[in-house]
Amino acid sequence: GAGVSQSPSNKVTEKGKDVELRCDPISGHTALYWYRQSLGQGLEFLIYFQGNSAPDKSGLPSDRFSAERTGGSVSTLTIQRTQQEDSAVYLCASSVGRLAGGRPLHIYYEQYFGPGTRLTVT
Amino acid sequence: TQLLEQSPQFLSIQEGENLTVYCNSSSVFSSLQWYRQEPGEGPVLLVTVVTGGEVKKLKRLTFQFGDARKDSSLHITAAQTGDTGLYLCAGLSQGAQKLVFGQGTRLTINP
Repeated sequence: GAGVSQSPSNKVTEKGKDVELRCDPISGHTALYWYRQSLGQGLEFLIYFQGNSAPDKSGLPSDRFSAERTGGSVSTLTIQRTQQEDSAVYLCASSVGRLAGGRPLHIYYEQYFGPGTRLTVT
Repeated sequence: TQLLEQSPQFLSIQEGENLTVYCNSSSVFSSLQWYRQEPGEGPVLLVTVVTGGEVKKLKRLTFQFGDARKDSSLHITAAQTGDTGLYLCAGLSQGAQKLVFGQGTRLTINP
C-alpha cells in the first residue's frame, strides 16, 4: 500500500517568508507526527496529532511554527517568518497501534516515516 | 527529559566483519524501535522490541531489548556494503506517543 507522502520534497525560501509543508499519512492511521532533523542531529519531535486534535505540541520551537490536520488525514506544518536556523529536513510519520503479547497487555505504536521535506532558508 | 545514548556515533569497518551498536537510557521504555535511514530518505522501520529480554532476528541483524527495558543493541553479522547507512534507535514510554530518538550511528561498510 501507499506509504506516507510529503510535499514538496525540497523547498528553498528567503528569510522572512512563510512556508507550508504537507503530509499525507498512511490511510487508516489515526496518529500523525512531525519531526525535524538538522544536519548531523537526531530527530527532534515537534507535534503529534490524534485525529484532528494535537494533544502534544510541546516540541514546536516557537510561535512561528503551527500545524493543523483536517479530516483526520492530511496535515500541514506552517512556518511563519522563516529564519536560517529553521533550515532542516522536516519529517512526517503516521502510526498504527499494535497489541503486545505477554502480561500486562499493552498497545505500542509503530511509526512509519515519509521521505521528508528539505527546507533551506537563505 | 528522557535521553537515549547511542554508540558509537560513527563506525567504519570492512565487509565481512561483525559489529554491535548500543542504545542506552536511564529511563524505561514500553517499546523500542530501530530504524535505518539512507541519504535523502526518511527512516525505515526495521524492528520493534516490546518485551524485556526479547531478541529478534532479521536475516543478519539481531536486535535485543534489555531485561529492564532501558537499553537495546543491534548486532550485524558479516556486514555487507548494502548495510551502510544511518541507524537510529527510538524509544516510546508507556502511555506516550512521541518517540525519543538516539543521535544515530553512521555505519560505513567498506568493500
